[in-house]
Amino acid sequence: AQSVAQPEDQVNVAEGNPLTVKCTYSVSGNPYLFWYVQYPNRGLQFLLKYITGDNLVKGSYGFEAEFNKSQTSFHLKKPSALVSDSALYFCAVRDRNFGNEKLTFGTGTRLTIIP
Amino acid sequence: GAVVSQHPSRVICKSGTSVKIECRSLDFQATTMFWYRQFPKQSLMLMATSNEGSKATYEQGVEKDKFLINHASLTLSTLTVTSAHPEDSSFYICSARDSGTGTRSNQPQHFGDGTRLSIL
Repeated sequence: AQSVAQPEDQVNVAEGNPLTVKCTYSVSGNPYLFWYVQYPNRGLQFLLKYITGDNLVKGSYGFEAEFNKSQTSFHLKKPSALVSDSALYFCAVRDRNFGNEKLTFGTGTRLTIIP
Repeated sequence: GAVVSQHPSRVICKSGTSVKIECRSLDFQATTMFWYRQFPKQSLMLMATSNEGSKATYEQGVEKDKFLINHASLTLSTLTVTSAHPEDSSFYICSARDSGTGTRSNQPQHFGDGTRLSIL
């Protein structure tokens, strides 16, 4: 079984400050990890993914995420927040087992950037 | 980049009506597509995995006869909510992954913009 936890329902950050959105995961083997962003009444947009290699992954819109195997975490980060970053963020995990394409999502974190 | 088109974006209809939602991959082929349901302020719940040319695989607790899925081509999957009732009102989202990259591929799923279904 695979699962994802996003411990914070809501994160508020002042514009220009660094932001972090937390995610921890559980899989039986090695994971593929993803971050998606959702704007109101829209589908999900892909931000970045961790497959293998460098633990720090860079993605769209200046976002990055750090994979930490020992802590089973994949926190999303950005050095300087923009008001336009305000949205709902989902972390997702997929087991690398052959044929398993299912994504398991966290419950989402609503990020609000305060001007 | 990979684009998934979902139509319609919003449907309002009377109780008892059947509603069809289309999910198309515009610039890639997808042997597998996924249908999710999202309740307000909640995460995405996987309803079923749509397989081209074969029966869909439904998640536990999802009524097969209620939510009919057809995946007749490599670029189109449809979800039909049969005899819809107010409790079926929700935000439905589809996703697809480029099959050309292989089953083991680490490529992400790409999502449609969702369909807001409101049953009166």
